[in-house]
Amino acid sequence: DAKTTQPNSMESNEEEPVHLPCNHSTISGTDYIHWYRQLPSQGPEYVIHGLTSNVNNRMASLAIAEDRKSSTLILHRATLRDAAVYYCILWGKSTFGDGTTLTVKP
Amino acid sequence: SAVISQKPSRDICQRGTSLTIQCQVDSQVTMMFWYRQQPGQSLTLIATANQGSEATYESGFVIDKFPISRPNLTFSTLTVSNMSPEDSSIYLCSVLIWGEQYFGPGTRLTVT
Repeated sequence: DAKTTQPNSMESNEEEPVHLPCNHSTISGTDYIHWYRQLPSQGPEYVIHGLTSNVNNRMASLAIAEDRKSSTLILHRATLRDAAVYYCILWGKSTFGDGTTLTVKP
Repeated sequence: SAVISQKPSRDICQRGTSLTIQCQVDSQVTMMFWYRQQPGQSLTLIATANQGSEATYESGFVIDKFPISRPNLTFSTLTVSNMSPEDSSIYLCSVLIWGEQYFGPGTRLTVT
């Protein structure tokens, strides 16, 4: 079963960009890469997804490596409200993985 | 996007009893999912519930323990049967719309 690996935690300063990495070396050709974030006591929130090309939306950007074995979620200007657990998943797999806890310092 | 509500938001139940969790979506969706999030852990998919077909359960989850109903395109229920303390978790429903997955706020279940 394809899985993802992420750093347990990362820190960022407010107003600075944040690059959250994710490795998915066993990804198959049809696996979509999804990112979600979960604030305390809330359900996960969709952030962005992509297949092969880099993607941008109002929340973030997703950079996908050419071999698709890794990806990076980019928050262009971190705010205190971005502090959350960020999950990178291959959509359709049954487990989310442990995610990265992002701390944003004022 | 989708607005998803769950009832109850939390409950404390005695072992051996059953609890039915309701999930209501504000739009018609085909694909609906039920997840479990145990304390301090990540999410694990319990089953996929598509309207008009039997739910598909992931490894480690069985219909007798977690029966699911999906009577229409906006509603689903998950029952946690014959509960034990190990079932204490947050249970979340989720839907897929145009490739984006949306989650309900979760139902926090404590089994004593």
